[in-house]
Amino acid sequence: QVQLVQSGAEVRKPGASVKVSCQASGYTFTNYAMHWVRQAPGQRLEWMGWFNPGSGHKRYSQNFQGRITITSDTSASTAYMELSSLRSEDTAVYFCARLTRTGTYPALDYWGQGTLVTVSS
Amino acid sequence: DIQLTQSPSFLSASVGDRVTITCRASQGISSYLAWYQQKPGTAPQLLIYAASALQTGVPSRFSGSGSGTEFTLTISSLQPEDFATYYCQELNTYGYTFGQGTKLEIK
Repeated sequence: QVQLVQSGAEVRKPGASVKVSCQASGYTFTNYAMHWVRQAPGQRLEWMGWFNPGSGHKRYSQNFQGRITITSDTSASTAYMELSSLRSEDTAVYFCARLTRTGTYPALDYWGQGTLVTVSS
Repeated sequence: DIQLTQSPSFLSASVGDRVTITCRASQGISSYLAWYQQKPGTAPQLLIYAASALQTGVPSRFSGSGSGTEFTLTISSLQPEDFATYYCQELNTYGYTFGQGTKLEIK
């Protein structure tokens, strides 16, 4: 069965960086793009970006341009999201999610369990 | 970016009720809309894709409709496990925007 397992909670100081991992199993990793979504406490879901491990193509939300890097290690079936220049507003739960397509219609069908990143001095 | 506005933001209902949540897009997105359910402390779960297609394993009391700029999610007969927050998401552009969510609470 498809599973996305994320790394554990992190605490960082303002200005630091954090790298969250997402290990996939149960499917061919290179056949699906991986998206990253975050959720600040009590807030809506916010889309951050995606990376296609098969093609290497990527796209980031303008809200994170210059601060986000999404990569993958295909040998380990693992995707990574790194966010730099952290500020307190980046305190959130970060999710990875697999994009699937049925015909031409995409959706995020499997999600990781989430990783809490706390930014505090 | 496309903006998605859900209504209502909060909804109080009873077990057995029929409820409808609306999601309006700031511009047309054809049927490139998905609905998710999220319970506290857990990841969202896909309910509906392509505006009206039921994801495998999702109970048939959930249904979606709409196209263009207006979409609805309907739960035909609320069950205790349905009390959660619901989000719509557009997947027509590269913004992949989510709505602000609708919290469904027990009356």
